[in-house]
Amino acid sequence: KQEVTQIPAALSVPEGENLVLNCSFTDSAIYNLQWFRQDPGKGLTSLLLIQSSQREQTSGRLNASLDKSSGRSTLYIAASQPGDSATYLCAVRDTGFQKLVFGTGTRLLVSP
Amino acid sequence: EPEVTQTPSHQVTQMGQEVILRCVPISNHLYFYWYRQILGQKVEFLVSFYNNEISEKSEIFDDQFSVERPDGSNFTLKIRSTKLEDSAMYFCASTGTEAFFGQGTRLTVV
Repeated sequence: KQEVTQIPAALSVPEGENLVLNCSFTDSAIYNLQWFRQDPGKGLTSLLLIQSSQREQTSGRLNASLDKSSGRSTLYIAASQPGDSATYLCAVRDTGFQKLVFGTGTRLLVSP
Repeated sequence: EPEVTQTPSHQVTQMGQEVILRCVPISNHLYFYWYRQILGQKVEFLVSFYNNEISEKSEIFDDQFSVERPDGSNFTLKIRSTKLEDSAMYFCASTGTEAFFGQGTRLTVV
């Protein structure tokens, strides 16, 4: 059974810092991995999608990497801003089934 | 930007009542899902739907729950005889390669 873990659970940084969020998963037979952003009481916004054959994806200040063999992904946020404050969720999609399995998230607070 | 639409955004219901949560998935997607998130907890998979039938369901998705695609656009989750512990945010999603989520329905059972 796929298990997804995210560390740290919470992170507080001053504006402008570069930061790394970590995601690990137990079964490397994945179809793809997605990073989402969730604002309090809101839905899930897709940030980046990495296919199992890819090593990384970039969108603006965000860069996500995938090391499938070791069961790890990282989300790198450059030059953080207060507007980046949210919970970041990692989710993997298994090859056999189509559902996403979510981690518990990293709650990020960027202070001005 | 493709969008999944969910209604209502909030629903308050009395314990024992039936509720229907509605979703309009992205039109050219083939897989549809319901997930839920109890306050402060992980997003949990409930059920997936493909080719007009359930393709997978979790242990949570018992006889209390049912899904339907009554027409070409809507996808519904029915919860019969609601319980206090059904209070959660319910998310609909659809996928091509990438999964897109709706804004959720916050269900409160009182």
